Amino acid sequence: KAGVTQTPRYLIKTRGQQVTLSCSPISGHRSVSWYQQTPGQGLQFLFEYFSETQRNKGNFPGRFSGRQFSNSRSEMNVSTLELGDSALYLCASSFTGGITEAFFGQGTRLTVV
Amino acid sequence: DQQVKQNSPSLSVQEGRISILNCDYTNSMFDYFLWYKKYPAEGPTFLISISSIKDKNEDGRFTVFLNKSAKHLSLHIVPSQPGDSAVYFCAASSGGAQKLVFGQGTRLTINP
Repeated sequence: KAGVTQTPRYLIKTRGQQVTLSCSPISGHRSVSWYQQTPGQGLQFLFEYFSETQRNKGNFPGRFSGRQFSNSRSEMNVSTLELGDSALYLCASSFTGGITEAFFGQGTRLTVV
Repeated sequence: DQQVKQNSPSLSVQEGRISILNCDYTNSMFDYFLWYKKYPAEGPTFLISISSIKDKNEDGRFTVFLNKSAKHLSLHIVPSQPGDSAVYFCAASSGGAQKLVFGQGTRLTINP
């Protein structure tokens, strides 16, 4: 059974640009969450989608947005990139709507220059 | 404010001995706790979880203990193996939400 797939693995963008990251969850999983990992802040929750609806949201500015498609695939968008957005962005999927263990992808390493 | 804290950034243990990783939390609404293991350049891998209605959960070499009154949980690995060397994160959630609050992680090194 394929795991959580994130594309691309690495990305370099210029300050002010926008970026879209993609996440394909494990087959059958309907919940997709996004996290940002930085050396200073650790792993921080961005948002969670379930059945195409955003169900939970973390404390990030509106420049960070996401969506989920009917096949449960999810995309995350960051507009007007700042240097501080450089991070590892992780996607996690889980089967049910309730809390169960989440399975993480390998992440997308975003560098903003 | 950091709601989940792992106060030891690193821990070194001899192969075969017990590794004990600690985690403290401040939010009394947390009712589900998880431990993840992370290797460099990979996403976190789920290890074990515990609900707040329990005080212990075991899975093979891994045991998680929860002390609700102290708002403290710990992960015991017995016996420790070289492949256990990784960064370990504890995480917590509340109200059944798939929204995890992570600690800063503890780097565990198992020495042969």
